[in-house]
Amino acid sequence: DGGITQSPKYLFRKEGQNVTLSCEQNLNHDAMYWYRQDPGQGLRLIYYSQIVNDFQKGDIAEGYSVSREKKESFPLTVTSAQKNPTAFYLCASLGGGNQPQHFGDGTRLSIL
Amino acid sequence: AQSVTQLGSHVSVSEGALVLLRCNYSSSVPPYLFWYVQYPNQGLQLLLKYTTGATLVKGINGFEAEFKKSETSFHLTKPSAHMSDAAEYFCAVSATNTGGFKTIFGAGTRLFVKA
Repeated sequence: DGGITQSPKYLFRKEGQNVTLSCEQNLNHDAMYWYRQDPGQGLRLIYYSQIVNDFQKGDIAEGYSVSREKKESFPLTVTSAQKNPTAFYLCASLGGGNQPQHFGDGTRLSIL
Repeated sequence: AQSVTQLGSHVSVSEGALVLLRCNYSSSVPPYLFWYVQYPNQGLQLLLKYTTGATLVKGINGFEAEFKKSETSFHLTKPSAHMSDAAEYFCAVSATNTGGFKTIFGAGTRLFVKA
């Protein structure tokens, strides 16, 4: 079955450390998205990419970086510049037009 | 620009009672509207969507929603709540704009179901 795979499910970061969250999709979707979810705040867009080798900042991009070297993959790096990284991170993809986004099962990032 | 407002961050119903989760949107172009459900520590799962055509949309698990353009609403309903419906629900609007397709999510409504 096609879908989106996020790994790891749980991740811990030490102070001053960069960590990378993986997102892979086999839906052949062009667009991919990263969201951050905090309790009571819904989903906030971090970065999105509509085609390979191109991506745009979302509403809360500071302290994060992404790459889109392959259509299937859209990894998110949480850098040491992100001072409050503890959150649930969701990756999504979109086939286009009037279709809904498909979501992975998320990665929960915590600070040690 | 688009926006979504979900009225009520928490809704509590008794098992067997009507579920009504409210969503109002704003959009300068014809919108596509979605309801998603999220269970703890999981991603969002699509419940139903409205794109064009019939304004009453049926989804999975007995949920349905009605698109009312005059009221800019897309409320989610289910005639009889089950314990398994306890989850967080998100309304979303998507439309084309100069930046391509963007989806805006509401803040979510957590549904509690009492036995």
